[in-house]
Amino acid sequence: GAVVSQHPSRVICKSGTSVKIECRSLDFQATTMFWYRQFPKKSLMLMATSNEGSKATYEQGVEKDKFLINHASLTLSTLTVTSAHPEDSSFYICSARDRGRGNYGYTFGSGTRLTVV
Amino acid sequence: GQQVMQIPQYQHVQEGEDFTTYCNSSTTLSNIQWYKQRPGGHPVFLIQLVKSGEVKKQKRLTFQFGEAKKNSSLHITATQTTDVGTYFCAGTTGNQGGKLIFGQGTELSVKP
Repeated sequence: GAVVSQHPSRVICKSGTSVKIECRSLDFQATTMFWYRQFPKKSLMLMATSNEGSKATYEQGVEKDKFLINHASLTLSTLTVTSAHPEDSSFYICSARDRGRGNYGYTFGSGTRLTVV
Repeated sequence: GQQVMQIPQYQHVQEGEDFTTYCNSSTTLSNIQWYKQRPGGHPVFLIQLVKSGEVKKQKRLTFQFGEAKKNSSLHITATQTTDVGTYFCAGTTGNQGGKLIFGQGTELSVKP
């Protein structure tokens, strides 16, 4: 149980284009999902909290217009990197928590490795 | 803002040696969670500690939560090559909507 599916796993895009990453909770409903960014050999940096049916809450220093988050249903959140540039190249991971599973932690998607060329 | 500090950043051990990573928070935590991330993979949940002074064991792994709920540790007894990876602690507080704040992680390498 508590499976989170993230697509695509890898994407290469040209500078200036936009990329959409999907995060789905497969066997539970997630009113809240979280988006992280991870640089090589670094920790996970929380970018934003995605709230179903309302606006996302962004962490300080994260550009809202750059990283668009949509959480239109209880099982799907999307992160769109707009007008991507090489410095946006990173590993993006989403996570969600199945509140019905008591002491279980957060389940992470398998991540999306974005390369902007 | 809330910070979670984790040390050491790297640990290289011989197979069979013990390993410990430590986590400290600048604020009192509601709970602390531990995750393992294999190279090229994503974080996988290991355990959650909630109570002050709590100790939990999973086979060779022992997790502790401090009395003040501001620090935690993970100890691995007799490491094996399968223990290789980066171990992250992550804490939540009661007033931040459940968001996890991660420590910097400790990368463990095990020499056979």
